[in-house]
Amino acid sequence: EAQVTQNPRYLITVTGKKLTVTCSQNMNHEYMSWYRQDPGLGLRQIYYSMNVEVTDKGDVPEGYKVSRKEKRNFPLILESPSPNQTSLYFCASSPYSSGRADNEQFFGPGTRLTVL
Amino acid sequence: AQKVTQAQTEISVVEKEDVTLDCVYETRDTTYYLFWYKQPPSGELVFLIRRNSFDEQNEISGRYSWNFQKSTSSFNFTITASQVVDSAVYFCALSEAGYSSASKIIFGSGTRLSIRP
Repeated sequence: EAQVTQNPRYLITVTGKKLTVTCSQNMNHEYMSWYRQDPGLGLRQIYYSMNVEVTDKGDVPEGYKVSRKEKRNFPLILESPSPNQTSLYFCASSPYSSGRADNEQFFGPGTRLTVL
Repeated sequence: AQKVTQAQTEISVVEKEDVTLDCVYETRDTTYYLFWYKQPPSGELVFLIRRNSFDEQNEISGRYSWNFQKSTSSFNFTITASQVVDSAVYFCALSEAGYSSASKIIFGSGTRLSIRP
């Protein structure tokens, strides 16, 4: 089944404790992206990747890191989480289209993160 | 800079009524793409439609229709004869195809639609 998976689905942690949220897709998509969803703000793009070893900042990259060592995986790393990073996080992927994000995105189920 | 505005935060209608969700966008590019996604109460995000800036033809899919008007920078979504299953948060999104921001996607803040039986 074609899908985007995220782990963990729920996470409660404390300020400053490094964490990684994994994202994996089995559709051979070039483009992958991370979003956070907050009430009243919709989805905001954190980072995106057009292909392996190619990543770039979205609109809210502060406090996050990503890597794209393999095509299928795009982990989101919070080196020193803070309470303002409490949010619902979505990973997404989409097919390649001349390096542009102009195709439908397939979203993972979301990861609800709480930072105390 | 690109921007997507969904001014309607919440809409509540009675089942079988028609409802229109507004989406207004800003972009400096001549080539761009617009999307609508649905987020039902279960939380997943579901793709509904994609439209490029050169295609202003309106689209109808069952009870759903989309009205794209470049002159007003709007891409509105209408549900005809709404049903309880249409209750969800709906997001409009914009992707520019220009070189400088080729892969960024901007979402609106969403419209929460409630259909009352």
